[in-house]
Amino acid sequence: DAGITQSPRHKVTETGTPVTLRCHQTENHRYMYWYRQDPGHGLRLIHYSYGVKDTDKGEVSDGYSVSRSKTEDFLLTLESATSSQTSVYFCAISGRGGDTQYFGPGTRLTVL
Amino acid sequence: GQQVMQIPQYQHVQEGEDFTTYCNSSTTLSNIQWYKQRPGGHPVFLIQLVKSGEVKKQKRLTFQFGEAKKNSSLHITATQTTDVGTYFCTYGGSQGNLIFGKGTKLSVKP
Repeated sequence: DAGITQSPRHKVTETGTPVTLRCHQTENHRYMYWYRQDPGHGLRLIHYSYGVKDTDKGEVSDGYSVSRSKTEDFLLTLESATSSQTSVYFCAISGRGGDTQYFGPGTRLTVL
Repeated sequence: GQQVMQIPQYQHVQEGEDFTTYCNSSTTLSNIQWYKQRPGGHPVFLIQLVKSGEVKKQKRLTFQFGEAKKNSSLHITATQTTDVGTYFCTYGGSQGNLIFGKGTKLSVKP
């Protein structure tokens, strides 16, 4: 597997609290992505990055923000978590846009 | 937005039976990728198809890309319990991301 880690792997939090998920890669890949996976919806893109400090919104970006200050780290922040953000979050990396993507192990987030 | 449709959504087979999942798009695709996700796991890249009519094999798995590059299929011969999981077809979106179908969940009864 590609060198991608996600932290934390599991988190339970309460509605209204801020949450930050971290994705770390050791592959020096330019592109990094955050997806969420929910039953019946497959994987949906939240935000992505095409370089340090270069990010853009995906299909389901409302309620989420991201930052990428270093090539290896891509952070996903829920400013004020809601129950609808309960999901499994996957980070992915690729060398080029649209190219093969390598996924991290995922973070299971529960918002009570 | 543009999506690929995968059918069936679920498939239950007896071990040793064959399995096929289909991926259909309303528009021509430049390429298609297939991923497998084991229960509790993360998506793992299987293969990429680029050429019209392309057929690729990986042991018991056969992948096809349609002549019009609007559909694709994954066929597994003589399923095994290790084939259990969800199979996704994907294609490159305009943002450099991958757009995923909703997947076909395969269960195999020993």
